[in-house]
Amino acid sequence: GAVVSQHPSRVICKSGTSVKIECRSLDFQATTMFWYRQFPKQSLMLMATSNEGSKATYEQGVEKDKFLINHASLTLSTLTVTSAHPEDSSFYICSAPETSGSPRVQFFGPGTRLTVL
Amino acid sequence: QQPVQSPQAVILREGEDAVINCSSSKALYSVHWYRQKHGEAPVFLMILLKGGEQMRHEKISASFNEKKQQSSLYLTASQLSYSGTYFCGTEWISGAGSYQLTFGKGTKLSVIP
Repeated sequence: GAVVSQHPSRVICKSGTSVKIECRSLDFQATTMFWYRQFPKQSLMLMATSNEGSKATYEQGVEKDKFLINHASLTLSTLTVTSAHPEDSSFYICSAPETSGSPRVQFFGPGTRLTVL
Repeated sequence: QQPVQSPQAVILREGEDAVINCSSSKALYSVHWYRQKHGEAPVFLMILLKGGEQMRHEKISASFNEKKQQSSLYLTASQLSYSGTYFCGTEWISGAGSYQLTFGKGTKLSVIP
């Protein structure tokens, strides 16, 4: 299957700082990538859809100014959590579909565990 | 819009069988099944298409009833490695014509010796 990487795998930061998370598709191009957030023992909640060459699409309730998404190339999307607070602590996972049509099998990155002190 | 999974949790002894159900209130294009181990990202198991056949991954199989908008995941002769949280993802077409994938809350499966 396709491989998606994420960096960093873990990050601990102080409240008020910004954190950037990278998501890369290693052996395929992805015009679309998805960013999820998962709180302990809960499901994957879609935050936003990252589109190469255009603005990201955010789900209802997700602040676009706080969670900045940049899809710089066909293999890289970044999520920046700005002015992070303890309530932003979570497991952030990106995914990319291998095909642009449907059904689109999602290949997930290994996730980034963010802890905000 | 979030599909409903049942049961929420199940404990099995090695070799026992289990069924996990996933139902949606929306007309579905496809159903995806993923397994997530603690602290790791979800791993794709299989996808069931509208009008497609029952799928299989090792000793795990799944079916999709389009009319009822339901899918079931069947785990037979469970192994310790089957432990994890199983998520179904239902794919549907939004009013804007784009494909949306929404995940259920998950079913935690624990296989014990």
